[in-house]
Amino acid sequence: EVELVESGGGLVQPGGSLRLSCVSSGFTFDIYAMSWVRQAPGKGLEWVSSIFASGGNTYYADSAKGRFTVSRDNSKNTLYLEMKSLRAEDTALYYCAKGFLGHGTSTDVWGQGTTVTVSS
Amino acid sequence: DIQMTQSPSSLSASVGDRVTITCQASQGIGKNLNWYQQKPGKAPKLLIYDSTILETGVPSRFSGSGSGTDFAFTISSLQPEDFATYYCQQYRNLPPTFGGGTKVDIK
Repeated sequence: EVELVESGGGLVQPGGSLRLSCVSSGFTFDIYAMSWVRQAPGKGLEWVSSIFASGGNTYYADSAKGRFTVSRDNSKNTLYLEMKSLRAEDTALYYCAKGFLGHGTSTDVWGQGTTVTVSS
Repeated sequence: DIQMTQSPSSLSASVGDRVTITCQASQGIGKNLNWYQQKPGKAPKLLIYDSTILETGVPSRFSGSGSGTDFAFTISSLQPEDFATYYCQQYRNLPPTFGGGTKVDIK
């Protein structure tokens, strides 16, 4: 069974940093693209970033460019999102999502999310 | 960016009703469209991909149609467990974008 478990969220002051992690199991991690998608409280879904299998290709939403860095460690089946210069508008539940082979940035299985709160 | 306009934003329906949600893309996306279901406090669940293909294990009362810019998602006979929020998503172009969601609640 595919399982994605996010961690690393928390309360951080504006301008601060956080590193999210997503440990994956139940599938061959190193052949799948992985993504981060967030959901602000009471709002809809917003794609944040994707990284393809080799880790060489990474993509970001405009809201994340220059501040967030996605990476992966295929030896640990783990996806990361390094977030810097955090703003109040980054407050959200951050989901890790498994890619869907042959479907670009599409995703099929999501973790339960980790909450990031940016507030002074 | 491709804008996804989903409607209605909410609807009230009864068990057994037929429910249809539409999603319109601001430019053609072929059939590169997903439909997700999200229940309160839970992660989104993929129901339909490539506009019309049911994900494994998803009940056949769910269906999708459309290509290009106009898409529809239908629940043929609403069940109690179907009360949730539904999202469309295009993955034709970067960035992948979601519709605003449709909350389906009990009449």
